[in-house]
Amino acid sequence: AQSVTQLDSQVPVFEEAPVELRCNYSSSVSVYLFWYVQYPNQGLQLLLKYLSGSTLVKGINGFEAEFNKSQTSFHLRKPSVHISDTAEYFCAVSDRGSQGNLIFGKGTKLSVKP
Amino acid sequence: NAGVMQNPRHLVRRRGQEARLRCSPMKGHSHVYWYRQLPEEGLKFMVYLQKENIIDESGMPKERFSAEFPKEGPSILRIQQVVRGDSAAYFCASSPLQDTDTQYFGPGTRLTVL
Repeated sequence: AQSVTQLDSQVPVFEEAPVELRCNYSSSVSVYLFWYVQYPNQGLQLLLKYLSGSTLVKGINGFEAEFNKSQTSFHLRKPSVHISDTAEYFCAVSDRGSQGNLIFGKGTKLSVKP
Repeated sequence: NAGVMQNPRHLVRRRGQEARLRCSPMKGHSHVYWYRQLPEEGLKFMVYLQKENIIDESGMPKERFSAEFPKEGPSILRIQQVVRGDSAAYFCASSPLQDTDTQYFGPGTRLTVL
């Protein structure tokens, strides 16, 4: 069975500092990987996705993530965060060709302080 | 192009009542997914539907919960005889036929059972 582990439940950082949100997954098959962001009392917005090709994926709002198959990781990074990046970030995985059933991690709350 | 729409945004029910949650997918999307988010948890898959068909309901509780996506109109998630443990945020997502690997989420319905 697939699972997703987000190692940090909360990450506090200062504005303009770099940030990395960690995500590890376990699966016996090839997977697609996603990062979503959830602002307070809102739905999830897709930040970026890895389906195939280059292992470095660039998304919206200056975020990027790198797929590392050997370490089964898909960590999210941003070189310089803004106050507006304060939100909860979810990593998710799905089987290639499964057509549905995203498996989500428990989320990481990013808190950006001035 | 409007995004995924869900209504109501907030729903309060007393124990034993019925809850009906509606989801209108993005224009041109024929696949709908329902997820439940409990406090301090990630999203959990419930059901995946296409028009008039349930494709995967492996995440649905065996009793009291049902979902449909009729030929015309929104998808409905129905919870009969609600209990306090049903209190959660329920999110709907949709995807187009040509890109079922990527899901776009609505703002969610927050159900509170008194």
